[in-house]
Amino acid sequence: NAGVTQTPKFQVLKTGQSMTLQCAQDMNHEYMSWYRQDPGMGLRLIHYSVGAGITDQGEVPNGYNVSRSTTEDFPLRLLSAAPSQTSVYFCASSPTGRGANQPQHFGDGTRLSIL
Amino acid sequence: GQNIDQPTEMTATEGAIVQINCTYQTSGFNGLFWYQQHAGEAPTFLSYNVLDGLEEKGRFSSFLSRSKGYSYLLLKELQMKDSASYLCAVSGGGGNKLTFGTGTQLKVEL
Repeated sequence: NAGVTQTPKFQVLKTGQSMTLQCAQDMNHEYMSWYRQDPGMGLRLIHYSVGAGITDQGEVPNGYNVSRSTTEDFPLRLLSAAPSQTSVYFCASSPTGRGANQPQHFGDGTRLSIL
Repeated sequence: GQNIDQPTEMTATEGAIVQINCTYQTSGFNGLFWYQQHAGEAPTFLSYNVLDGLEEKGRFSSFLSRSKGYSYLLLKELQMKDSASYLCAVSGGGGNKLTFGTGTQLKVEL
């Protein structure tokens, strides 16, 4: 059971380039989310999805787009990379119970540097 | 909005007990999570509290007081492998959104 798989693990971009961070889960989880983690800032929610076809903004959505065409995949797109987007990005998933809270399962992260 | 506070760093001795505190102010509350994160790795789930009181899981326990906006994580019989960052996170709002504190870096010494 692979859990949550993120690719790539490392990436270096130049300012203005675009790229997509991939996230896939094989646990049939309804809920998926993207976080960025910066020193002294903790994990901050970028975008999240409660099911296929449904996405919503988190705390820091500017500069990022997402889509959820299938239950399994939740890619994060940077349309025009900026140095401020240098960070470690984590994808997470959890079952969404009615009124319940379930632990989120995290991928191993993507370490992104923007030059 | 959500505001979560926890100490930045703590140091403890192998075999001892350590308590990591977390206070929060939130506009909605559905529960509180604790995660462990080793350097360079992903966060992993430790515990979840939705009702007041103590939840015990082996060497780890977590306490919640909703009226005080307060939680703590208690680690017993500390081991060197417990050196990690401990993240307090509050679930609130729709869709199982989590707001994380900045984490407490615990160093376990001999």
